[in-house]
Amino acid sequence: DTGVSQDPRHKITKRGQNVTFRCDPISEHNRLYWYRQTLGQGPEFLTYFQNEAQLEKSRLLSDRFSAERPKGSFSTLEIQRTEQGDSAMYLCASPPGTSGYNEQFFGPGTRLTVL
Amino acid sequence: GQQLNQSPQSMFIQEGEDVSMNCTSSSIFNTWLWYKQEPGEGPVLLIALYKAGELTSNGRLTAQFGITRKDSFLNISASIPSDVGIYFCAGHRSNTGKLIFGQGTTLQVKP
Repeated sequence: DTGVSQDPRHKITKRGQNVTFRCDPISEHNRLYWYRQTLGQGPEFLTYFQNEAQLEKSRLLSDRFSAERPKGSFSTLEIQRTEQGDSAMYLCASPPGTSGYNEQFFGPGTRLTVL
Repeated sequence: GQQLNQSPQSMFIQEGEDVSMNCTSSSIFNTWLWYKQEPGEGPVLLIALYKAGELTSNGRLTAQFGITRKDSFLNISASIPSDVGIYFCAGHRSNTGKLIFGQGTTLQVKP
């Protein structure tokens, strides 16, 4: 157990529906990262937060995607009008302590299937 | 897209054998990390490397940060069935928050 939790673990939805995922990071760290992983590939960076500020967004994050981190604690990732190409594992990561950002501990992921 | 090249793509070995895999990049990284991922789970951090030339061990695992800062190697000695999984390298540059991952090396161990 890395201390990073994600909910739900699995989500099946129909194309066009909206979905929202939640991540609860290691509580004492101010950074939180989102990645997406498709079958047979390594995780790809989507976005990250320092406290409640979203500091960087990948070009993978289309305008249908939005992420928030109110109060600098948990974070949500919402996908609007889902498409079949959004099917992937969505991973949240957090550094382990209050110093350093280089090591990132991952949650178990949310597996999204868009039908 | 991905900027790290991992090899080999997959390995099928006999229990007890040693394993070597590597990761190369066209760009310099300040930190190299090695993760293991099992089906349906998130990647688990195995080893972190912070200095060029650094050699670090974690049990039967040994990893090295290449002196050019563009590559890293992971060795597993005396493999056992529970070593099965996908091994990912990841690089980090200090001016960004993000990790860049390789495509992974799938390891299968025959008892």
